[in-house]
Amino acid sequence: GQQLNQSPQSMFIQEGEDVSMNCTSSSIFNTWLWYKQDPGEGPVLLIALYKAGELTSNGRLTAQFGITRKDSFLNISASIPSDVGIYFCAGQTGIQGAQKLVFGQGTRLTINP
Amino acid sequence: GAGVSQSPSNKVTEKGKDVELRCDPISGHTALYWYRQSLGQGLEFLIYFQGNSAPDKSGLPSDRFSAERTGGSVSTLTIQRTQQEDSAVYLCASRKTVTYEQYFGPGTRLTVT
Repeated sequence: GQQLNQSPQSMFIQEGEDVSMNCTSSSIFNTWLWYKQDPGEGPVLLIALYKAGELTSNGRLTAQFGITRKDSFLNISASIPSDVGIYFCAGQTGIQGAQKLVFGQGTRLTINP
Repeated sequence: GAGVSQSPSNKVTEKGKDVELRCDPISGHTALYWYRQSLGQGLEFLIYFQGNSAPDKSGLPSDRFSAERTGGSVSTLTIQRTQQEDSAVYLCASRKTVTYEQYFGPGTRLTVT
């Protein structure tokens, strides 16, 4: 089945540093979504990407949809303590009415104050 | 409330018992999804509803798992004769018909002893 390879699996950084994580796949996806999950919570949508090559920002977060539609990256600038959590990429496939998301394994971000 | 709600938030059950997990999607969201998240893992798709019908049940792990949706709103995921490997967080998400963005509930943490 379709799989997303997300890396790195974990990151340990200092507060204020920039962060970069990415997802790759052997399959083409129509849409890429990035989610953040805090402990005991459901994933929260951060950014949605719809077009190949699209670059979208949400505050300190920037994500890009790869030209080949097989990859995406997420950058976080000037990290702060509340950025701690697990970040998931998700690729959407299927035609209208038969859509589902395939998730990466997550990147766990830890920030040292 | 404005978000997806799930109940119960935690459920501990004995092996062999049946459990029912409930999801209330965002009002007006016609699509509803169930996912399973094992400890430290990504999200595994279980089933997708469009309205009251389920065009994609491909992720249900066995015939012990079933789900229904009534009135195009509330959904119930039922696990019969629970096994220890069923222990996980079960997440529900909903989506408007015209978008690809799924919004998640807080999940139900199921522990089978």
